[in-house]
Amino acid sequence: AQSVTQPDIHITVSEGASLELRCNYSYGATPYLFWYVQSPGQGLQLLLKYFSGDTLVQGIKGFEAEFKRSQSSFNLRKPSVHWSDAAEYFCAVVGGSNYKLTFGKGTLLTVNP
Amino acid sequence: ETGVTQTPRHLVMGMTNKKSLKCEQHLGHNAMYWYKQSAKKPLELMFVYNFKEQTENNSVPSRFSPECPNSSHLFLHLHTLQPEDSALYLCASSQVGIRTDNYGYTFGSGTRLTVV
Repeated sequence: AQSVTQPDIHITVSEGASLELRCNYSYGATPYLFWYVQSPGQGLQLLLKYFSGDTLVQGIKGFEAEFKRSQSSFNLRKPSVHWSDAAEYFCAVVGGSNYKLTFGKGTLLTVNP
Repeated sequence: ETGVTQTPRHLVMGMTNKKSLKCEQHLGHNAMYWYKQSAKKPLELMFVYNFKEQTENNSVPSRFSPECPNSSHLFLHLHTLQPEDSALYLCASSQVGIRTDNYGYTFGSGTRLTVV
C-alpha cells in the first residue's frame, strides 16, 4: 500500500523568503502525486499534481513541485512567500487500482511579516 | 465554486439529536468520499462510494450512517453523537476507472460540526 510522509509538522518563514515543503512517498510503481492547501476552516484546494512527463510541475499561486524518483520525493517550492500563503499543506499519493488518495499528515506554514 | 457543495457549513447539535450532512457534486464524477478532520489529527477517510455502492467503511461507528442515492449526492446521517465527534467533515469526489491527466479529488468546503 502507498504511504506519504511529510517530515515537517510546522514551518515558519518570513514574508518574501523562499519556501520548500518536503514530501516523501512510498509506492512501487510511478505514482500520481498531489499537493493540496487548506486555509483555516476551509476545504482542500488542489495546488498541483504530477502524473508523468516533465518532473517539474507548475501549479497555482506561484507554487511548483519536483518529482524525484530516486529520492521518492515530491517537494513543494515557492521562490517568494506571501502572507496569504499561511495555511496547511498536504501531500498525497494515488497508487494501485483503487484510485484511493492517501494523505500525509500535513505541514502548517506560518508566515511572519 | 469548487464543484462540490456541502451544506450546512456549520452545525451545532446535541448528543440526542439527529441531523444530516449533505454533499452534492456537479462534476460528473462517479466516486464520492467522506473525510473527518479533527484538530491536531490527520485526515481520516470514513467512507468511499463508487458508482453509488459503498466500497469502503473504515471502522466508522454506527452513529454515522452514509447514504448515496445517486452519483451526484452523498449524505452523512448523524445520531446520538459524542463530543469527540466534533470536527470538520469534508466531502470529496473523483472519477475512477480510467487513469487520465484530469484525475484528482475535488473537495467541498466542509461542514464544521460541534456536538454539545
